[in-house]
Amino acid sequence: EAQVTQNPRYLITVTGKKLTVTCSQNMNHEYMSWYRQDPGLGLRQIYYSMNVEVTDKGDVPEGYKVSRKEKRNFPLILESPSPNQTSLYFCASSSPGQGSYEQYFGPGTRLTVT
Amino acid sequence: KQEVTQIPAALSVPEGENLVLNCSFTDSAIYNLQWFRQDPGKGLTSLLLIQSSQREQTSGRLNASLDKSSGRSTLYIAASQPGDSATYLCAGRLSNDYKLSFGAGTTVTVRA
Repeated sequence: EAQVTQNPRYLITVTGKKLTVTCSQNMNHEYMSWYRQDPGLGLRQIYYSMNVEVTDKGDVPEGYKVSRKEKRNFPLILESPSPNQTSLYFCASSSPGQGSYEQYFGPGTRLTVT
Repeated sequence: KQEVTQIPAALSVPEGENLVLNCSFTDSAIYNLQWFRQDPGKGLTSLLLIQSSQREQTSGRLNASLDKSSGRSTLYIAASQPGDSATYLCAGRLSNDYKLSFGAGTTVTVRA
């Protein structure tokens, strides 16, 4: 089954404790991205990657890091989480195949930073 | 930068009524527009994607139209059911941008 998976699905952590949220897709998509969703602010892009070793900042990159060492994986790293990073995070992937760039989303990771 | 607006923010209709959801965007150089459904606390499910060269797409009871000149897309859901209750998001992509710009969504409640 074609899908985007994220782990963990739920995470409660404390300020300053480094964490990684993993994202993996099995569709051989070139393009992957991370979004955060907050009430009243909607979905905002954090980082995106056009292919292996190619990443760029989205609208709200501060406090986050990413890497793309393999095509299927795109982890999101919070080096020193703060309470304002409490949010619902989504990973997405797409491909320019057939010119569509249709985006497929993972199930989300709910992060709480205390 | 593409700005995407969805009005109204919430909508309540009786079962069986047709739903009309609106999405407006500011930049007519849109590459494609995608409609998603989101259930509370869940991920986004892609419903329909319309390329800039298309005027509409259909899937079952769903029909989405795109009018680049007026900067509008409309999602029609025929004969609504309680299971259609969810938040519907539209997102536009510019030709030269990898980013999707999302609207804030319309939360739909279908009353049995």
